Amino acid sequence: DAMVIQNPRYQVTQFGKPVTLSCSQTLNHNVMYWYQQKSSQAPKLLFHYYDKDFNNEADTPDNFQSRRPNTSFCFLDIRSPGLGDAAMYLCATSRLAEQFFGPGTRLTVL
Amino acid sequence: GESVGLHLPTLSVQEGDNSIINCAYSNSASDYFIWYKQESGKGPQFIIDIRSNMDKRQGQRVTVLLNKTVKHLSLQIAATQPGDSAVYFCAETISGGYQKVTFGTGTKLQVIP
Repeated sequence: DAMVIQNPRYQVTQFGKPVTLSCSQTLNHNVMYWYQQKSSQAPKLLFHYYDKDFNNEADTPDNFQSRRPNTSFCFLDIRSPGLGDAAMYLCATSRLAEQFFGPGTRLTVL
Repeated sequence: GESVGLHLPTLSVQEGDNSIINCAYSNSASDYFIWYKQESGKGPQFIIDIRSNMDKRQGQRVTVLLNKTVKHLSLQIAATQPGDSAVYFCAETISGGYQKVTFGTGTKLQVIP
């Protein structure tokens, strides 16, 4: 089945230790997104790729970076995770307005 | 900065009753609206959408109503089931090419067996 896949589902890292979350899609959608979602809150857009064009939200901290080596894969790099970065990280794809979400990666920072 | 420890609005409904979840959107230019369902530990899942040239759209057990005059959106779930328990988010965007999707704050639906 066509889908959005995120690995790992659960990630534990130490304060300040770089971590990379990955997302892949079989939908062949041209837009990919990374969202951060904290408990009881709506997803917050960090950035998106329109094909290879990277678009950063104005309030996304520099600590968060992203890479999209090809249509299918997108990575979220957190250079120096802080305790406040503990959250669910959601990847999504779209061709038009409807977005398709992956299951998310739950990040714990110790 | 973000608030910590927010409590989602919660709607408790008896199994078999109808549920109505409301949402106010902010951008008058938005012309495409989506309802998402998010179960615990999962990503948001598309339920139903509506464009601004409509005021009502029906799916299987779900109906979305759009009132552009007061910028209000609602999701009605008929004969609510335990599997409907989740957080429901409305989202708004502008159609045509890429446009940012803005999510509402979410409502937690609890179905009482």
